[in-house]
Amino acid sequence: KAGVTQTPRYLIKTRGQQVTLSCSPISGHRSVSWYQQTPGQGLQFLFEYFSETQRNKGNFPGRFSGRQFSNSRSEMNVSTLELGDSALYLCASSLAGQDYNEQFFGPGTRLTVL
Amino acid sequence: AQSVTQLDSHVSVSEGTPVLLRCNYSSSYSPSLFWYVQHPNKGLQLLLKYTSAATLVKGINGFEAEFKKSETSFHLTKPSAHMSDAAEYFCVVSDQAGGYNKLIFGAGTRLAVHP
Repeated sequence: KAGVTQTPRYLIKTRGQQVTLSCSPISGHRSVSWYQQTPGQGLQFLFEYFSETQRNKGNFPGRFSGRQFSNSRSEMNVSTLELGDSALYLCASSLAGQDYNEQFFGPGTRLTVL
Repeated sequence: AQSVTQLDSHVSVSEGTPVLLRCNYSSSYSPSLFWYVQHPNKGLQLLLKYTSAATLVKGINGFEAEFKKSETSFHLTKPSAHMSDAAEYFCVVSDQAGGYNKLIFGAGTRLAVHP
C-alpha cells in the first residue's frame, strides 16, 4: 500500500506570493492533518480535515487555509507569504476520527520564502 | 491543556550502550501518548503508542516506553543503541479536548550514537 505522498517536495517563493501544497493520504484513510515544522517553534498543528470538513484548527492566522476533496486528498494554501512561513510542512493521514489511531506522515514539503 | 516536555534536547551515547530519552506529560484526561522518530530529510515514523491498554509499551526497532502516571512520565528506552538510531525523537500527546487527531509535539531530542 502506498504511503502518504506530498507534492511538491521543495518550493521556493518570494514574500507576498501564495502557495498551494498537496497531500494524498493512504488509500482508505479519511482524516488528514497538517503540521508546520520550524527550528524555532518545532512541530505545530495547523488543521485537520475529516470527510471534507475541517474539524480542528491550530493557532495560525487566516492566511493559512486548507480543504479536503471527496477522495480524501487535501490541499493547504498560504497566502501573502512571509519570511517566517519558511518551514517543513507535514501532512499526516489516519483511518478514522479516533485519537488513538496511528497517524502516518508524509515526507513533507520544504517551503522557502525569500 | 495538554503538553509534553522532553527533558533533554541532545543525548549522546556509544554504540551498544543503553538509550534513555525522557518525557514528562501534562494532561487533564487519561492521555494517549506516542513516540515518533524523524531521520534527516525524512518524515515522521511512529515508534510506539500508549492508549491505556498496558503501561509498558513495546515498539519497533527494540524501543519501549513505560507509562508512569504517578510521575507523569513516558520515557523511551532501548537496551543497546545502533548507529542507525541516530535521529530526532519526539514525544507526543493527543489533545483530546481539542478533538480527534490533534497531536501536540514535544521540542524533540536529538540522539547521537558514536562508534
